[in-house]
Amino acid sequence: DADVTQTPRNRITKTGKRIMLECSQTKGHDRMYWYRQDPGLGLRLIYYSFDVKDINKGEISDGYSVSRQAQAKFSLSLESAIPNQTALYFCATSDPLGVGYTFGSGTRLTVV
Amino acid sequence: DQQVKQNSPSLSVQEGRISILNCDYTNSMFDYFLWYKKYPAEGPTFLISISSIKDKNEDGRFTVFLNKSAKHLSLHIVPSQPGDSAVYFCAAEGGGSNYKLTFGKGTLLTVNP
Repeated sequence: DADVTQTPRNRITKTGKRIMLECSQTKGHDRMYWYRQDPGLGLRLIYYSFDVKDINKGEISDGYSVSRQAQAKFSLSLESAIPNQTALYFCATSDPLGVGYTFGSGTRLTVV
Repeated sequence: DQQVKQNSPSLSVQEGRISILNCDYTNSMFDYFLWYKKYPAEGPTFLISISSIKDKNEDGRFTVFLNKSAKHLSLHIVPSQPGDSAVYFCAAEGGGSNYKLTFGKGTLLTVNP
């Protein structure tokens, strides 16, 4: 099994719909992150969590929310999807020093 | 304000030659730098890193050089192989970031047979 598992791998949804992207990890790390990748823009941090009771906004959190259900689970929600949220989304986890991020394989989201 | 910059969106080299990927940063408080490699349909994977107390770190065909005074680092791949074709992200941490990584935009490396 992969260290970081993201579901679904691909999703097409309509504008205005609510959608949840799920992430689970088996590394036993407290730190988890959600990133978005767009062509030419690299990886941008949406939200991050340093433990189950800690949730922080990243640089592009507008339009997104997260839930840290357990140490191993961190989900990302789009409350009302819009087309410019079409992107590749990555979940990651890291050790306490932030070294050695482990990424999931990504979720390709298309909002039509 | 982009704190980690990869100014070359793409780079093409011949198999067997050297690939040099560059990265500049603006935050002088960054003290740890990493390179990640990403293939299509996969997540980024860690490649090599360097602490600010060093100026060079080598791992097989991959070497990272750090020039703190210039706020510049580079990744050298020698010899380049077609399997090295991927997007390479430079990342940095430190400077009050609470150990969060700041990524560059990435450079697409193509190694031609």
